[in-house]
Amino acid sequence: GENVEQHPSTLSVQEGDSAVIKCTYSDSASNYFPWYKQELGKRPQLIIDIRSNVGEKKDQRIAVTLNKTAKHFSLHITETQPEDSAVYFCAASIFNKFYFGSGTKLNVKP
Amino acid sequence: DGGITQSPKYLFRKEGQNVTLSCEQNLNHDAMYWYRQDPGQGLRLIYYSQIVNDFQKGDIAEGYSVSREKKESFPLTVTSAQKNPTAFYLCASSVPGRAGELFFGEGSRLTVL
Repeated sequence: GENVEQHPSTLSVQEGDSAVIKCTYSDSASNYFPWYKQELGKRPQLIIDIRSNVGEKKDQRIAVTLNKTAKHFSLHITETQPEDSAVYFCAASIFNKFYFGSGTKLNVKP
Repeated sequence: DGGITQSPKYLFRKEGQNVTLSCEQNLNHDAMYWYRQDPGQGLRLIYYSQIVNDFQKGDIAEGYSVSREKKESFPLTVTSAQKNPTAFYLCASSVPGRAGELFFGEGSRLTVL
């Protein structure tokens, strides 16, 4: 089955700096790559996604890039704010099954 | 107000007891999923169902059972055969055939005493 690896497991940045989280996947048939943000004790919420026919997508301070050849995708958050502090999960979807990375705990220091 | 409702939010169980976690959605989604989340780990798929009366095992199905008798309901039973059931359980749904967003419930935290 699909295997998704996510790095780093923790990331600490100063407010206003950028944060980058990287994921790799193993199955070239995966065609949808969402990113979820989860605050402590809450449900994961979709923040951005990208499909396999697109290389990059941006939504305000958040962007995602996809390299199908290398089978990796990344989340970029610019101008980080304390409210960005949370756990972020990447996922890869194949045949409507979703496989998640192990998560990155982002801490934005004011 | 559309969404996914999980209950109970917190559940305590003694070893050897079966417990059932409820998941109901009014989004008219065909596909439903159960995930388990442990500290420091990602979400691991327990079971999923693409249509009513059909479901498939995920990566960690041992010790769990499900049913899908109605489109809006996908209950998960944690049986006594599950060796380490203490975890946070998340139910989700999506529209199949269109690689789309997973919508999650609020989760159920199960603690085995």
